[in-house]
Amino acid sequence: NAGVMQNPRHLVRRRGQEARLRCSPMKGHSHVYWYRQLPEEGLKFMVYLQKENIIDESGMPKERFSAEFPKEGPSILRIQQVVRGDSAAYFCASSPSGADTQYFGPGTRLTVL
Amino acid sequence: GQQLNQSPQSMFIQEGEDVSMNCTSSSIFNTWLWYKQDPGEGPVLLIALYKAGELTSNGRLTAQFGITRKDSFLNISASIPSDVGIYFCAGRRTDSNYQLIWGAGTKLIIKP
Repeated sequence: NAGVMQNPRHLVRRRGQEARLRCSPMKGHSHVYWYRQLPEEGLKFMVYLQKENIIDESGMPKERFSAEFPKEGPSILRIQQVVRGDSAAYFCASSPSGADTQYFGPGTRLTVL
Repeated sequence: GQQLNQSPQSMFIQEGEDVSMNCTSSSIFNTWLWYKQDPGEGPVLLIALYKAGELTSNGRLTAQFGITRKDSFLNISASIPSDVGIYFCAGRRTDSNYQLIWGAGTKLIIKP
């Protein structure tokens, strides 16, 4: 039973480009969460999605950031027109229901030059 | 946003020593979780606590859910080199059944 998968593991973008981060939840999990982690800090909640629905996006910046979890395929976190301050590790977690334990993927480390 | 107060920030210990770290919050939590994160990896769940006063062990690790529901501690007994890493506490407030609030982490370093 494969765990949560994220790709790419490392992503380098120049300022102004777009970054697309993918997350495939564990088999049987329909709830996905995205977190952001800066060096030497804990994780910060960004967005919570179920299949085809955004449940809570209160932690996600209103501009340039968007997330989706389509009926088929992985969840995508999209950052448009990236800036240096977007450099961070982005983690995805999944759970079978909203109140269950969240299992984390290995993260995508985004570096904006 | 709210963050838990986790201490200490880092610990330098000798192999074989016991380790203790804790988290406190100004809000009441209904769940406390302890995760370990190795460099370049995602957090891995160590122990989950769901009731005030609950004391749970996982091998050499023991964690407790504080009676006030505003704190938790994690103990590691007889530390070994593979215990090195960053330990995070995370909690769920009573007004949210999914959103996790995270501490800033305790970095455990074992002196050679």
